[in-house]
Amino acid sequence: SQKIEQNSEALNIQEGKTATLTCNYTNYSPAYLQWYRQDPGRGPVFLLLIRENEKEKRKERLKVTFDTTLKQSLFHITASQPADSATYLCALEDTGGFKTIFGAGTRLFVKA
Amino acid sequence: GAVVSQHPSWVICKSGTSVKIECRSLDFQATTMFWYRQFPKQSLMLMATSNEGSKATYEQGVEKDKFLINHASLTLSTLTVTSAHPEDSSFYICSASSELTSGNTIYFGEGSWLTVV
Repeated sequence: SQKIEQNSEALNIQEGKTATLTCNYTNYSPAYLQWYRQDPGRGPVFLLLIRENEKEKRKERLKVTFDTTLKQSLFHITASQPADSATYLCALEDTGGFKTIFGAGTRLFVKA
Repeated sequence: GAVVSQHPSWVICKSGTSVKIECRSLDFQATTMFWYRQFPKQSLMLMATSNEGSKATYEQGVEKDKFLINHASLTLSTLTVTSAHPEDSSFYICSASSELTSGNTIYFGEGSWLTVV
């Protein structure tokens, strides 16, 4: 069955360090993958989209990689700040469908 | 950027009553809207896909008679939880997409907290 896996354990890092979050998927052949940020009690906010033919995408302090061989995406936040503390969700479009399926998210805590 | 508004932000209702949640796309026409529910510390679970002018497509296990979805215009979709029970208490989130929004991006509303007492 199709699965998206994100580390369910919270990630705690010190301010200024680089946070790296992982998204693994099985039984998908996605044309693209997306990353969202979700704050407690709020709806997700789109961050980045990376297509299958792109190895890496950057936006300010954010960097996403997409390895279709490993079926994995890595999400990096460089020079992390306490304001980056949130849950980060990866999402894939369901193969053959029109639905976007979300991982459970990884909670990031950045300590000052 | 594209904005999706959801209303109400939170609602408390008595068991057995019905509650309506609205989802509006404010600055674009949404040909498709999606409804999700999310329990604490869990993933977004897609409930149904709503296409303007046609019946919604429900995910397996979602009762279409309990969760009524209406997408009457290109800017408005509503979710009505009928005969609500405490187990329906959850965070409900809508999202919208359009052929004109960039890169198949989905824009989310702020979510609606439903508490059934």
